[in-house]
Amino acid sequence: GQQVMQIPQYQHVQEGEDFTTYCNSSTTLSNIQWYKQRPGGHPVFLIQLVKSGEVKKQKRLTFQFGEAKKNSSLHITATQTTDVGTYFCARHGGSARQLTFGSGTQLTVLP
Amino acid sequence: DGGITQSPKYLFRKEGQNVTLSCEQNLNHDAMYWYRQDPGQGLRLIYYSQIVNDFQKGDIAEGYSVSREKKESFPLTVTSAQKNPTAFYLCASSIDDLGETQYFGPGTRLLVL
Repeated sequence: GQQVMQIPQYQHVQEGEDFTTYCNSSTTLSNIQWYKQRPGGHPVFLIQLVKSGEVKKQKRLTFQFGEAKKNSSLHITATQTTDVGTYFCARHGGSARQLTFGSGTQLTVLP
Repeated sequence: DGGITQSPKYLFRKEGQNVTLSCEQNLNHDAMYWYRQDPGQGLRLIYYSQIVNDFQKGDIAEGYSVSREKKESFPLTVTSAQKNPTAFYLCASSIDDLGETQYFGPGTRLLVL
């Protein structure tokens, strides 16, 4: 399927520092979704972005969709230990009608 | 994640045995999915079903089989043909098959002894 590249694979931050993960595609995305998976848990839907240049906020989380709809980012301001987990982006798979997930960014927050 | 159940939470299997993982949803969703997740990696699609009595192969269907006899149930069988079955298996559902929000079950960890 069509890939979405996600970077970085791992990120360690001190509590209170900011964190950003990026998702990139070589082709235009119809939409992008973000999920969070806590250690030992299952992915939980966070948000979906559809419009070019769209920015959405959820408390300390800011999600952006690029103007060309080929990239997206998730930024967390002033991380907390509750932010620990793996963050995945996912793209709609077009004709296959399925979501294709990025490889995820595993966030560790050091107290 | 409410409304999707997977059982068992942990499953041990001897090499050469088939095993069936259960997935049930009471969300009245048409579409259901099975993913495999290996340690430190993303989710890979095994099979998906858009409607009852219909299903399609995902990216890594070899060694797996599914059925969709009822809207609320989508069991996955890991057959002996699957060479490396030890993994975390996640079931998900969505309202329709148009790539909308997916809701995941708690997962089943399969360990082949």
